[in-house]
Amino acid sequence: DAKTTQPPSMDCAEGRAANLPCNHSTISGNEYVYWYRQIHSQGPQYIIHGLKNNETNEMASLIITEDRKSSTLILPHATLRDTAVYYCIVRSGSSNTGKLIFGQGTTLQVKP
Amino acid sequence: NAGVTQTPKFRILKIGQSMTLQCTQDMNHNYMYWYRQDPGMGLKLIYYSVGAGITDKGEVPNGYNVSRSTTEDFPLRLELAAPSQTSVYFCASSGQGLNEQYFGPGTRLTVT
Repeated sequence: DAKTTQPPSMDCAEGRAANLPCNHSTISGNEYVYWYRQIHSQGPQYIIHGLKNNETNEMASLIITEDRKSSTLILPHATLRDTAVYYCIVRSGSSNTGKLIFGQGTTLQVKP
Repeated sequence: NAGVTQTPKFRILKIGQSMTLQCTQDMNHNYMYWYRQDPGMGLKLIYYSVGAGITDKGEVPNGYNVSRSTTEDFPLRLELAAPSQTSVYFCASSGQGLNEQYFGPGTRLTVT
């Protein structure tokens, strides 16, 4: 599975959009991009995943560049409860185990 | 549905003692995982299982054992506890689509 690179920390003002970048320059054609978050030592929570098209759900949007070498997770209206560590993970679409390899993620601090 | 439950929530062990961390899921998921998370770090995969009776090693299996006799339960056994096993342990499960892992609340273990 391809390696990902994320900034260690970011700040965002409450009510504004939070844009979390992720680089995955060695991603291969059948690898998906997954995002999870972990709020204050709770178990991680799935947010969204995508292959090459942009994806949106009730929590967030995922924008993947055309060359698929990077992506951005967007929280459209960040709240204080969105303060968490956000993990970007690349995983093969043909995986038959579902294993996830976590990096150190980005700590997002949402400020009032 | 209770989702993924873990017991105990907290435990202190002396060096050389053994214990079993319990994990149960009520979603009829075939895939189950054990991770550990050291302070300030991302999660590391210890063991995983793709179905009852089938288990395999993850990134950091040394010092641990698992079994999977039923779909619901995936206990993690620590034999001869060492201070290096002080960590937070998370259990997770995933359904057939493998797109989302559901995590338990974690067990905080201290070995002194």
